[in-house]
This record gives sequence, C-alpha cells and structure tokens, in this order.
Amino acid sequence: QQPVQSPQAVILREGEDAVINCSSSKALYSVHWYRQKHGEAPVFLMILLKGGEQKGHDKISASFNEKKQQSSLYLTASQLSYSGTYFCGTPSDIIQGAQKLVFGQGTRLTINP
Amino acid sequence: EAQVTQNPRYLITVTGKKLTVTCSQNMNHEYMSWYRQDPGLGLRQIYYSMNVEVTDKGDVPEGYKVSRKEKRNFPLILESPSPNQTSLYFCASSLLGGEAFFGQGTRLTVV
Repeated sequence: QQPVQSPQAVILREGEDAVINCSSSKALYSVHWYRQKHGEAPVFLMILLKGGEQKGHDKISASFNEKKQQSSLYLTASQLSYSGTYFCGTPSDIIQGAQKLVFGQGTRLTINP
Repeated sequence: EAQVTQNPRYLITVTGKKLTVTCSQNMNHEYMSWYRQDPGLGLRQIYYSMNVEVTDKGDVPEGYKVSRKEKRNFPLILESPSPNQTSLYFCASSLLGGEAFFGQGTRLTVV
C-alpha cells in the first residue's frame, strides 16, 4: 500500500538534473511531495491532483499520471540547497482524502559542489 | 507565526512508564496527524483526527492513544512504552486536502 519511490538515493554535482519517481499499486487521486533536510521536519513542496497536470515552482516541478499510477519530481539545475530526503505521499482512500496520507520510503538526494 | 509545536523535542524513558507528547497548532486547522519515522521506512501514520472528538487509526496505531478535546491540541499518549517505540515522531496539521505543516519532531528513546 505504501507508494514506492525510486531511486532510493542519488548523488549529483551542483547544476545537474534529477528525477525522482513515485508509483503506487492503487489508484491515485492526488500526490503530495515533501522535502526533509537532515534533522528537520518535512516541508511541503506541492500537491498534484488528478488530470495529469504538471506543477512547479522555481526549478522544481512534478507531473502526475493517474493512469500509470505514478508521479515524478523533476529538479533542474540542482542547487546545494536541494539536498535532503524527498517523500511522496498519497491518500490511502478517497473518502478521507489527503488526511490519511501514506508516504513512500523516501529518496535521499545529495548535491555536491 | 503559523506553526505546529511539539514537546518535548527529546525524551528518554524506561519501558512501561506512561508518557505524553504534546502537539499544538495555531492555524485553526481541522486535521491533525501523528507520524513516526524510522530509517528506511519513511513516515508512517499512527493516528489522525478530522476535528474535535473525531479520531481514527492510521497504519501503525498499536501501542498509542490520542485525544482531540480542543481543536488546537492533539496529544500522543504511550500508556506502556516499549523499546520498539523508539523513533522520531512528527505531528502535522492541515486544512482539508491541503499541505501538511509538520512540527519540529520528538526523538523518543525507550530503554
């Protein structure tokens, strides 16, 4: 039931691009993305709703394909500040909506100078 | 400043000694949740609440209790803690379908 993220870890040099995938065996109604820096609380990045829309801010964007039951997070021209662990979260049922979120195991992103 | 406040930040206790971790939010959010975070397992939901006096189990509720007597507060209670409850705990609040705001976390060690 827990969404599966890939890769589990990635190491990049500053300025390189990264893609983090999140897939589910169940139908997806929405996908949440969060970033957690070491020793800190997770921080919200964006929510994607059904419809295949792509959202983003700054150089971080995401897509959502409900037919394939997956979402991807794109980090373009990565900066040192992008380092951290990224989590996707999906509602476990449509009735309770986003409040019964199930998170993936996380993807650890390391950006080196 | 909008925030979710957890206390304590760190706690070391002994097996079987009841403890409470407090959580308070100042954003008037209806929804509040508790998560535990363990290496390699991500964030797992323990309990959540949709409003005052309305709570429901998450994915890992065994050994935990919650209550929601006021909208702003959502304490997590461990009646008889055991070593397998050693973990990092996060409280979160949100509006319906909206982004979750997380507290700073409580690192609990049960010896």
